[in-house]
Amino acid sequence: AQSVTQPDARVTVSEGASLQLRCKYSYFGTPYLFWYVQYPRQGLQLLLKYYPGDPVVQGVNGFEAEFSKSNSSFHLRKASVHWSDWAVYFCAVTSPSGSWQLIFGSGTQLTVMP
Amino acid sequence: GGIITQTPKFLIGQEGQKLTLKCQQNFNHDTMYWYRQDSGKGLRLIYYSITENDLQKGDLSEGYDASREKKSSFSLTVTSAQKNEMAVFLCASSIPNTEVFFGKGTRLTVV
Repeated sequence: AQSVTQPDARVTVSEGASLQLRCKYSYFGTPYLFWYVQYPRQGLQLLLKYYPGDPVVQGVNGFEAEFSKSNSSFHLRKASVHWSDWAVYFCAVTSPSGSWQLIFGSGTQLTVMP
Repeated sequence: GGIITQTPKFLIGQEGQKLTLKCQQNFNHDTMYWYRQDSGKGLRLIYYSITENDLQKGDLSEGYDASREKKSSFSLTVTSAQKNEMAVFLCASSIPNTEVFFGKGTRLTVV
């Protein structure tokens, strides 16, 4: 079945530290992958997207992600976390065929400590 | 840029009540979606529509109806609200093979 797994429900890091949020996907066919961020009381905003090509993609606010077909993963990284990164992060997958339905992971709550 | 407007922002209903959530987008997008967000469960697709008057069921459609009478609007009806139900409903829109944009959500509480 097509699915996205975010194994870490909560991640806590100190401000200025590096960050990796994990995402594993199970998808038949060519996956298009996304990371969305949800700030408190807000809708989802796109951080970055992967369309087949360069496996490392750059996003907004210093975020990047790396696609690995062999590991079925699309982990999100940031070199130095800022307090304003405190949010929930969602990984999602879809396919260029069909209606562009997004299948979401359960999300990772990121807490940034001073 | 465009915007997706969801109304109301907060909705309190009683058990068994029929409740309607509304969504408007000015992106001129063809496809619109309704997702339900529960704490710890991510987002699950309830209904989507690829054009005016089209409706497609998602994985979570039972207990919901939807309506797409205009390209710019997409409404969702909870046919019979369940007691202690609490969730956020997110509306979204896109054109094929591009970014999906989300509204800020309607927070539902059933008492």
